[in-house]
Amino acid sequence: QVQLVESGGGVIQPGRSLRLSCAASGFTFSGYAMHWVRQAPGKGLEWVAVISYDGHNKYYADSVRGRFIISRDNSKSTLYLQMNSLRTEDTAVYYCAKTRTGNYYDIDYWGQGTLVTVSS
Amino acid sequence: SSELAQDPAVSVALGQTVRITCQGDSLRSYYASWYQQSPGQAPVLVIYDKNNRPSGIPDRFSGSSSGNTASLTITGAQAEDEADYYCNSRDSSGNHPVVFGGGTKLTVL
Repeated sequence: QVQLVESGGGVIQPGRSLRLSCAASGFTFSGYAMHWVRQAPGKGLEWVAVISYDGHNKYYADSVRGRFIISRDNSKSTLYLQMNSLRTEDTAVYYCAKTRTGNYYDIDYWGQGTLVTVSS
Repeated sequence: SSELAQDPAVSVALGQTVRITCQGDSLRSYYASWYQQSPGQAPVLVIYDKNNRPSGIPDRFSGSSSGNTASLTITGAQAEDEADYYCNSRDSSGNHPVVFGGGTKLTVL
């Protein structure tokens, strides 16, 4: 069965950097675009970034463009999110999510999430 | 603000039928998917491609769409259906590939 396991979250000071990872299993990772979606405490889901199946195309939410970088290593079935210049408003649970088809918005499976807390 | 609009909260009596709606221009051209999120849990896909259920999702969940509105209907709501529900689709502006609705908190009375 599909499994997505995020890691790398923690408490970090504003302005610092953090890298999240998402280990995928149970499907052909290299065949699907992958997302990062976040959820601030008590708030709704906010899409962060998506990367195409081959890593060639990447798209970002306005709130993170220029600070966050999405990447993937298909040989390791792992998705990454490099988060730079972190702000307090980046505090959230970060989920990785798998697309179901070739349409980026078509998301089927989600990981359990990793909490990032940006605080001094 | 989200380009997909959802009512913040809806309630339903146990065993009754409830409809949760999602409005947005992109829904005239693209299907919505629906996700259920119970407290402290990750979202779970319940409806995709307007009215398809993944394996394991009870058939009391159904979807529909008309014009700029997508709907999730729960026929015979159960206590375990109490959760937050989110719709998503493509961003109508074309600037981003994905947008989520603001979510609807469903209370089963």
